[in-house]
Amino acid sequence: KAGVTQTPRYLIKTRGQQVTLSCSPISGHRSVSWYQQTPGQGLQFLFEYFSETQRNKGNFPGRFSGRQFSNSRSEMNVSTLELGDSALYLCASSLASGGDQPQHFGDGTRLSIL
Amino acid sequence: QKEVEQDPGPLSVPEGAIVSLNCTYSNSAFQYFMWYRQYSRKGPELLMYTYSSGNKEDGRFTAQVDKSSKYISLFIRDSQPSDSATYLCAMSRGNTGKLIFGQGTTLQVKP
Repeated sequence: KAGVTQTPRYLIKTRGQQVTLSCSPISGHRSVSWYQQTPGQGLQFLFEYFSETQRNKGNFPGRFSGRQFSNSRSEMNVSTLELGDSALYLCASSLASGGDQPQHFGDGTRLSIL
Repeated sequence: QKEVEQDPGPLSVPEGAIVSLNCTYSNSAFQYFMWYRQYSRKGPELLMYTYSSGNKEDGRFTAQVDKSSKYISLFIRDSQPSDSATYLCAMSRGNTGKLIFGQGTTLQVKP
């Protein structure tokens, strides 16, 4: 059974640009969550999508947005990139929304801002 | 103060040792508790998933949750060099998929 797939694995952008990251969940999983991982702040929750609806949102500025498609695949967009957005962006999928569903992570997209 | 506290280490042990990793938390609403293992340049891998207080064993791994003390532990028996990684605790409330993570503990198992 294939795991969570994130593309691309690496991205280099410059300040002010925007970026779109993609996540394909485990087959049958309908909930997708996104996290940002940095050495200083660790893993921080960005948002959760279930049935194409955003269910929860973390404390990130509006430059961070996402969406989910009918096949449960999800994309995350960051606009007007800042140096501080350099991080590993991780996607996790679960069968359904809620804390009672274990989440499985992909290997992430490493975003570097120059 | 962070909602979840975890000693970042690093923790270095000889092969075959019993490893104890711990997290404390402040939010009594947390009901689901997880341990993830993360190797360099990889995503977190789910090791253990428990609900409420109690123990859970899976092979060489044992997870313990003490909700009265707001304290969770992961024990690794007969540790191997391949166990060298960063271990992250995570927890959530029942009504949301939002996971709150500890900072992670870096473990090195020396042959």
